[in-house]
Order: sequence, then structure tokens, then C-alpha cells
Amino acid sequence: GAVVSQHPSWVICKSGTSVKIECRSLDFQATTMFWYRQFPKQSLMLMATSNEGSKATYEQGVEKDKFLINHASLTLSTLTVTSAHPEDSSFYICSARLAGGGDEQFFGPGTRLTVL
Amino acid sequence: AQSVTQLDSHVSVSEGTPVLLRCNYSSSYSPSLFWYVQHPNKGLQLLLKYTSAATLVKGINGFEAEFKKSETSFHLTKPSAHMSDAAEYFCVVRGDSNYQLIWGAGTKLIIKP
Repeated sequence: GAVVSQHPSWVICKSGTSVKIECRSLDFQATTMFWYRQFPKQSLMLMATSNEGSKATYEQGVEKDKFLINHASLTLSTLTVTSAHPEDSSFYICSARLAGGGDEQFFGPGTRLTVL
Repeated sequence: AQSVTQLDSHVSVSEGTPVLLRCNYSSSYSPSLFWYVQHPNKGLQLLLKYTSAATLVKGINGFEAEFKKSETSFHLTKPSAHMSDAAEYFCVVRGDSNYQLIWGAGTKLIIKP
């Protein structure tokens, strides 16, 4: 149980285009989902916390207009990288917390974004 | 504010020998602490967690960690390393708000044959 999927697993796009990444909790409801960014050989950096039905809370330094997050249902959150540039190339990871659950987060496999 | 420090960026051990990955934390209250493992091209997997119950926590794949409040440490150990243990390991503490997780920089575990 507690499986989180991400789609796509990897994407290559041209500079200036927008890319949408989906994060789904497959067998549980998640009131809270988190989006992380991981640079090569570095740790995870929390970008934003997404609560179902409300606006996401962004961490300091993360541009909310560039990284659009939508958490429309208890099983789906999306991250859209708008007007992507090469410096946005990274590994994006989502996680989900069980509705009514404790501290544990369940992680998706990640999405590798490469912007040319 | 909560924080974690992983004291080694790389640890190299021979197969069959013990593993020790070190982690120190800072917290203004009794923390929730976790160890996650990240294998190449795979998602993060929870190894174990401490949430103010027993101080010695047993996890999956033979790993365990001991919470030591006096030393503010939560080191990860395994008696005998396997080749399949080669991965990146992250020590994590729960943050102040909204179940946020604060991540250590990671320790790459290398297993020599």
C-alpha cells in the first residue's frame, strides 16, 4: 500500500515551453503533498507544500508564478514549470502524506526534467 | 528550528563488515527522525523512523538506529553490509509546520567487494 506515482518519469523540452508533472497517490487519500527538487549529488530541497483545495505554500526563494502547483483532488497534485529554462533542469520529486496519518511521507519515483 | 547534519558525505566499507552512517540533529523539542534510502533511478524509501517510543529503532533490510538525546545523534547502523546496500542515505527530521521534512545532505554508501 501507500504507493505514489509520478508522470512522466523523464521529459525533455525546449527552452520557453511549459511542462506539467503529475503526482498521484494510487491507493490512499493525501490531504497534503510536497514537491521537492534535487540537484545532482545533493539533497532534496522542499519547493512547496500543497494542500487539497487550497493554495500551495511556497518555500522562500521559489517563484510561485514559475512553478504552478494545483492540488485539485485528494489523489492528484500537479507541478507545472512555466517558460522553462536550462537552469530548471533537475530531478523533481513529490511526496504525499496520508489523510489523518502521522509524519510519514510516501515518495514518488521522481521526474527528470531536461530543458534544452 | 530543526536541522540535521550528516557528518560524512561518503562512507566506504567492505562487504560483510559493519556500516555506520552518522547523523546529528538540532531540535527545540522532542523530534521525529527518519532515515531514507535512495537507490539510483528509484524512489526514496523509508528505512526507519523514531517518534519518541523506543530509542533503538529497527528498520528494514537489517538497518537500525539509536536515538541518543544526550548526544543529539541518530546514527544508522547495520552489522554486515551487502552489495545491495550501496545507495544514498538521508537523515531527516520533521520540521515545525505542516509535516515538513528537513533533509540532511546525504551520505553515499559504497560497498567494496
